[in-house]
Amino acid sequence: AQSVTQLGSHVSVSEGALVLLRCNYSSSVPPYLFWYVQYPNQGLQLLLKYTSAATLVKGINGFEAEFKKSETSFHLTKPSAHMSDAAEYFCAVSTNDYKLSFGAGTTVTVRA
Amino acid sequence: ETGVTQSPTHLIKTRGQQVTLRCSSQSGHNTVSWYQQALGQGPQFIFQYYREEENGRGNFPPRFSGLQFPNYSSELNVNALELDDSALYLCASSSGQEFNTQYFGPGTRLTVL
Repeated sequence: AQSVTQLGSHVSVSEGALVLLRCNYSSSVPPYLFWYVQYPNQGLQLLLKYTSAATLVKGINGFEAEFKKSETSFHLTKPSAHMSDAAEYFCAVSTNDYKLSFGAGTTVTVRA
Repeated sequence: ETGVTQSPTHLIKTRGQQVTLRCSSQSGHNTVSWYQQALGQGPQFIFQYYREEENGRGNFPPRFSGLQFPNYSSELNVNALELDDSALYLCASSSGQEFNTQYFGPGTRLTVL
């Protein structure tokens, strides 16, 4: 079985500041890891994914994440926040059973 | 390339009724998964269909059932609706070649009164 813990349900950053969203996973087998973003009243949009290739993964909209096996982490970062980054972000893990297990989500607000 | 579509967008039902939600998968995808997202929570896996067969199920009662059709579109049926069934229902499609990367539709907002 796999699970995800997202540290911090709310993160507030100033426009132009670093965005850091934390995700730790638990999995008994090598995982596939994903970050999704959800804007209000919308579905989930894939930001990036880790599938056992490079440990530093670049995604859309300037986001990237680093897989650290020793820390069982997959934290999401963006060097400079933009107002359009205000949304809810979900970390998810899957293995060979093909179901996604999601964290509880982190809401990002961006201050002007 | 057409993405995942879902219908209807919103739905209001009363307790005890039955509901059917529909999903069309992204072109070239043969697998559809359904998730329930309660307000303020992360999505929870309901079940997955692969080539018209159920391919895994989460911790949901049997009154949640599904179908997948030859064109890979899918339905989610919920019988005997309860107030706690109020949620956003998300459909996601995937293919076998992308490490199970799932692409989500916009969701159906179900309200049970």
